[in-house]
Amino acid sequence: AQKITQTQPGMFVQEKEAVTLDCTYDTSDPSYGLFWYKQPSSGEMIFLIYQGSYDQQNATEGRYSLNFQKARKSANLVISASQLGDSAMYFCAMRELYGNNRLAFGKGNQVVVIP
Amino acid sequence: DTAVSQTPKYLVTQMGNDKSIKCEQNLGHDTMYWYKQDSKKFLKIMFSYNNKELIINETVPNRFSPKSPDKAHLNLHINSLELGDSAVYFCASSQTPSGGTGELFFGEGSRLTVL
Repeated sequence: AQKITQTQPGMFVQEKEAVTLDCTYDTSDPSYGLFWYKQPSSGEMIFLIYQGSYDQQNATEGRYSLNFQKARKSANLVISASQLGDSAMYFCAMRELYGNNRLAFGKGNQVVVIP
Repeated sequence: DTAVSQTPKYLVTQMGNDKSIKCEQNLGHDTMYWYKQDSKKFLKIMFSYNNKELIINETVPNRFSPKSPDKAHLNLHINSLELGDSAVYFCASSQTPSGGTGELFFGEGSRLTVL
């Protein structure tokens, strides 16, 4: 069964605007971690941000923030002040306590930033 | 110095051939992975090794055989290549998360095309 769900179609975002990428997850483990990765057209996978299931505060890393709603099992990524270089695929991923360290990835969201 | 390096970056070969992809990490991590990214960009874990021991072996055909000579290396050998094996194969490594996030560090990917 799919553990990470990213269902938004491709998105066009105006430069300097904020964009929210949705991610919902499914787990019964009490401890887990949530990750977001960026994959630009050049193909490399770039780690953006991490949220632990016990973290009390939403994670932030520069222009990236994670809107973590544990009860709803959602971990949305917010990119503020979009830049042209933000155009990429964005993947949400989860590591479960009993998952042998594997990261399970969602299907990704395509974001295109337009000037 | 590249943290996770995999070679070759591109591989074009005929059906039925055998090929290998090599991966090395210089981060001192104890866990390494192989992921397959298909044409729809879906990332699926194939194998994971922790300190040279196989800990994850997803439903992958027997034609795929990983080998970890030491914890810094994880190679992937594929026998009798089929058209459906065409994909980008990513090697990754992580430190067992104990106090840290344990995010995956990815190589640049190896694009395999089977003709």
